[in-house]
Amino acid sequence: QSALTQPASVSGSPGQSITISCTGTSSDVGGYKFVYWYQQHPGKAPKLIIYDVTNRPSGVSNRFSGSKSGNTASLSISGLQAEDEADYYCSSYASSSHLLFGGGTKLTVL
Amino acid sequence: EAQLLESGGGLVQPGGSLRLSCAASGFTFSNYAMSWVRQAPGKGLEWVSTISGTAYSTYIADSVKGRFTISRDNPKNTLFLQMDSLRVEDTAVYYCAKTQVLYDHDYWGQGTLVTVSS
Repeated sequence: QSALTQPASVSGSPGQSITISCTGTSSDVGGYKFVYWYQQHPGKAPKLIIYDVTNRPSGVSNRFSGSKSGNTASLSISGLQAEDEADYYCSSYASSSHLLFGGGTKLTVL
Repeated sequence: EAQLLESGGGLVQPGGSLRLSCAASGFTFSNYAMSWVRQAPGKGLEWVSTISGTAYSTYIADSVKGRFTISRDNPKNTLFLQMDSLRVEDTAVYYCAKTQVLYDHDYWGQGTLVTVSS
């Protein structure tokens, strides 16, 4: 099983919206509703921001939203803020009860 | 609130062994599956292994299968990762993480660094 594919970097200005894609296959992203997104600031542990494709944990800003179409999941962030600058990782349940992560996307707030 | 504290990391030679521990508090430990996720220096996240709340089921990544073993001691609220036949490419920060239901890791420890080098 290969890692999920994410863009290496994305950027946006404060107040703008961005979208990060996460592409897999029908054996992982496309086959299950178990897609997760994590935010990681430098030197910190990852933080869960989206689970089961579209759900936000309690306390996570509604500026974060998730979606999926076919084998590609997406994380959207609206109203960009400086504090959103971080690395973002997608992950998905895969066949044989494995978990795959994407390579990570570095978000820069200009 | 859940808290996770890893320990046991350090420097080990290739071919050596190390046992990581993760002390959990703030939640009913036996009710939740737990995982180990690692991150090589400057690299992305990599899932290592997951164990069910009862320890009946374990799942492990192909990259460490046959070398790493996950286990837990529910009465002591502790998660373990036994790492044998360590390789240079196993060098990483190892995170302990609690799941909500399946692989949705809602709480993470601060990580413990494992360095495999001669």
